[in-house]
Amino acid sequence: RKEVEQDPGPFNVPEGATVAFNCTYSNSASQSFFWYRQDCRKEPKLLMSVYSSGNEDGRFTAQLNRASQYISLLIRDSKLSDSATYLCVVNMNQAGTALIFGKGTTLSVSS
Amino acid sequence: DTEVTQTPKHLVMGMTNKKSLKCEQHMGHRAMYWYKQKAKKPPELMFVYSYEKLSINESVPSRFSPECPNSSLLNLHLHALQPEDSALYLCASSQETGSNEKLFFGSGTQLSVL
Repeated sequence: RKEVEQDPGPFNVPEGATVAFNCTYSNSASQSFFWYRQDCRKEPKLLMSVYSSGNEDGRFTAQLNRASQYISLLIRDSKLSDSATYLCVVNMNQAGTALIFGKGTTLSVSS
Repeated sequence: DTEVTQTPKHLVMGMTNKKSLKCEQHMGHRAMYWYKQKAKKPPELMFVYSYEKLSINESVPSRFSPECPNSSLLNLHLHALQPEDSALYLCASSQETGSNEKLFFGSGTQLSVL
């Protein structure tokens, strides 16, 4: 089983839609979780950390389910500028050096 | 705009060439990283430096040689590369190497090996 798995998509949605991505991880001892966004031919940029209680940043909501070992990202009121690849990142140990990237989920928002 | 600066942005080299990639950050971060990313794949960790000391080498071939001259600079020296080494090379930094540390990436060097 792969360590961090994501549905690669693409997810094609119209502007204004709500879209959700899931990511599963294999190591139950994983310590911390992040969503990064990567635009085509650009570097990944941190979108948000994912906390146990769930957290929200504007139109973006992240959830963590430790029992089922998955994290999710919900995007409300999608904008054209949200089109990108969303990378799920899981930190497997306390030293912080075992960052495992998922392959990413591609989102395309159209007008 | 990224606060981690990488040069050059693009590099084409032959298999016998020696070249270096450079990375600089002035955020006072004490951890710096090299990642390799192939098209449509996630970034793969190559090296981690913590407080200017190499702490992780993910079994990277010796034709890649990292160097950390000081806390702000990270280099990757390239020698006798193979065409399959063509990829986007990303530098990143974080405040420390703890589990909740957020990575800040440079814009990368797109490397082509002919």
